[in-house]
Amino acid sequence: GAVVSQHPSRVICKSGTSVKIECRSLDFQATTMFWYRQFPKQSLMLMATSNEGSKATYEQGVEKDKFLINHASLTLSTLTVTSAHPEDSSFYICSAREEGTRIDEQYFGPGTRLTVT
Amino acid sequence: QKEVEQDPGPLSVPEGAIVSLNCTYSNSAFQYFMWYRQYSRKGPELLMYTYSSGNKEDGRFTAQVDKSSKYISLFIRDSQPSDSATYLCAMSVTIQGAQKLVFGQGTRLTINP
Repeated sequence: GAVVSQHPSRVICKSGTSVKIECRSLDFQATTMFWYRQFPKQSLMLMATSNEGSKATYEQGVEKDKFLINHASLTLSTLTVTSAHPEDSSFYICSAREEGTRIDEQYFGPGTRLTVT
Repeated sequence: QKEVEQDPGPLSVPEGAIVSLNCTYSNSAFQYFMWYRQYSRKGPELLMYTYSSGNKEDGRFTAQVDKSSKYISLFIRDSQPSDSATYLCAMSVTIQGAQKLVFGQGTRLTINP
């Protein structure tokens, strides 16, 4: 199956700093990437959808100025958490999908655990 | 009311048992129904995908959809310790031309040897 990687797998940062998470599709062109966050023992909540070369579409309640998404190429999307606070600590997961594929053909990365101290 | 309801468990069964996992939903616009397995601190991996009412079987796994009752199930036969994970149901919906997945809360399953 298709492979999606995330980097870093785990990051600890201090409150007020920014952290960038990368999501890469390794063997296919990801025209669409999705960013989710998952709190402990809770479900995945879609944060935003990004299409290559255009601005991301954010879900209601997600601050676009706080969670900056850049999908600059067909294999890379980045999520930057700006001015991080302890409440931003969570598991962030990306997924990627190639144009024209079914919704189930959306491949998930292994996730990035962010801890803000 | 959440769009997708899933009992979070935890659910613990002995090895070899038949496991039944369930989700209910409220949005009639959901088109496709999926089950994902997620191991601790890993991303979800797709187990089953279906779009119509009825049963779909793949090895030890059977996905069942009842659109009239807005209810989906995943059955695991001959459960193995390696099946221990969190199982998430997910449903797709198209909003303003964009397809999105809505996930259930996930059920933590433990298969005891």
